[in-house]
Amino acid sequence: GENVEQHPSTLSVQEGDSAVIKCTYSDSASNYFPWYKQELGKRPQLIIDIRSNVGEKKDQRIAVTLNKTAKHFSLHITETQPEDSAVYFCAASIKGGYSTLTFGKGTMLLVSP
Amino acid sequence: GAGVSQSPRYKVAKRGQDVALRCDPISGHVSLFWYQQALGQGPEFLTYFQNEAQLDKSGLPSDRFFAERPEGSVSTLKIQRTQQEDSAVYLCASSPSGRGDYGYTFGSGTRLTVV
Repeated sequence: GENVEQHPSTLSVQEGDSAVIKCTYSDSASNYFPWYKQELGKRPQLIIDIRSNVGEKKDQRIAVTLNKTAKHFSLHITETQPEDSAVYFCAASIKGGYSTLTFGKGTMLLVSP
Repeated sequence: GAGVSQSPRYKVAKRGQDVALRCDPISGHVSLFWYQQALGQGPEFLTYFQNEAQLDKSGLPSDRFFAERPEGSVSTLKIQRTQQEDSAVYLCASSPSGRGDYGYTFGSGTRLTVV
């Protein structure tokens, strides 16, 4: 089955800096890669996603890049703010018409004022 | 409703007790997923419904776990004879599409603690 590795497990940055979180996946048939933000005790919320026919996608301060050849994708957050502090999960869809998601173990991002 | 609703939000069960966790998906959503999230980990897939049909239950950890969605809307995850290792947050998610490449909306989860 699919395996998703996520790094780093924790990331501390100063407000205004950029943050990058990286994920690799194992199943070359995976074709959908969402990122979720989870604040303490709350539900995971989709923040951005990318499909395999696109190499990069941007939404304001958030961007995701995908390298299908290398089987890795990354989340980039620019001009970080304290409210960006949360756990971020990457995921990949496994092969199948409905495609359940396989998640990484998460990255705790701490943005210091 | 406006979002995915799960109940109860918290459940404490004595080891050996049976529990039932409820999920109300967004109205009209075709797909419904159950995930288990252990402390400090990412969600792990348990089972998937497309309308009332359970198309995948490969993630259910043992035959003590059972899920149903009899009318294609509300779903219940039942755990029989709970064990300490069942302690986790159980997340339900729904999606309007029967395809996988569409963002889920998660519920807030049920935190199960088995003592």
